[in-house]
Amino acid sequence: DSGVTQTPKHLITATGQRVTLRCSPRSGDLSVYWYQQSLDQGLQFLIHYYNGEERAKGNILERFSAQQFPDLHSELNLSSLELGDSALYFCASSVGLKTGTGTSGNTIYFGEGSWLTVV
Amino acid sequence: AQKITQTQPGMFVQEKEAVTLDCTYDTSDQSYGLFWYKQPSSGEMIFLIYQGSYDEQNATEGRYSLNFQKARKSANLVISASQLGDSAMYFCAMREGRLNSGGYQKVTFGTGTKLQVIP
Repeated sequence: DSGVTQTPKHLITATGQRVTLRCSPRSGDLSVYWYQQSLDQGLQFLIHYYNGEERAKGNILERFSAQQFPDLHSELNLSSLELGDSALYFCASSVGLKTGTGTSGNTIYFGEGSWLTVV
Repeated sequence: AQKITQTQPGMFVQEKEAVTLDCTYDTSDQSYGLFWYKQPSSGEMIFLIYQGSYDEQNATEGRYSLNFQKARKSANLVISASQLGDSAMYFCAMREGRLNSGGYQKVTFGTGTKLQVIP
């Protein structure tokens, strides 16, 4: 158990709909990352939040948005869903203070993922 | 250009033998971190090992070790005494950027290597 909690674990929805994926980071972790993993695109970085602030954006579509709340949990909102949005969505967290030395504060732990199927 | 390159789409190893999974990276940052993750068929992403760019010793975690060659920009994962449960996809990843002074962090993954352990 990584300590990162994602809900829901599985979700089936229709095209055009909107869903919200939720992530609770490990206790004490300030950084939250969202990733999308699909068969044809591999593991794609979507967005990074640190202590409530957006810090980096990757290949995130305009139909997708995210936020990190004061209690550090995060939500990824996916709207106007298309068949191609079907994927495994991961949330990951880390303390996120240092880069370059040692494991403490640098390890990024992943949740079990949310499987999204758009039909 | 690819930030993380894993040139071995698939590999086989005999049970109890050692195996090396290759990873090369590209960055202009001086401070960065390298990760290896294991993804079994169930889908979860399991953290294995971390190497900071300033760490002088190669990282080790049980049967996993990271062969870090900074000048060659390679970070190969060595699994000793392979077990059947090691059969999975293995991803190399790199974190760049700083969080200090309003900086950012971006984590990029390679395309993965599928390892199959043969009894």
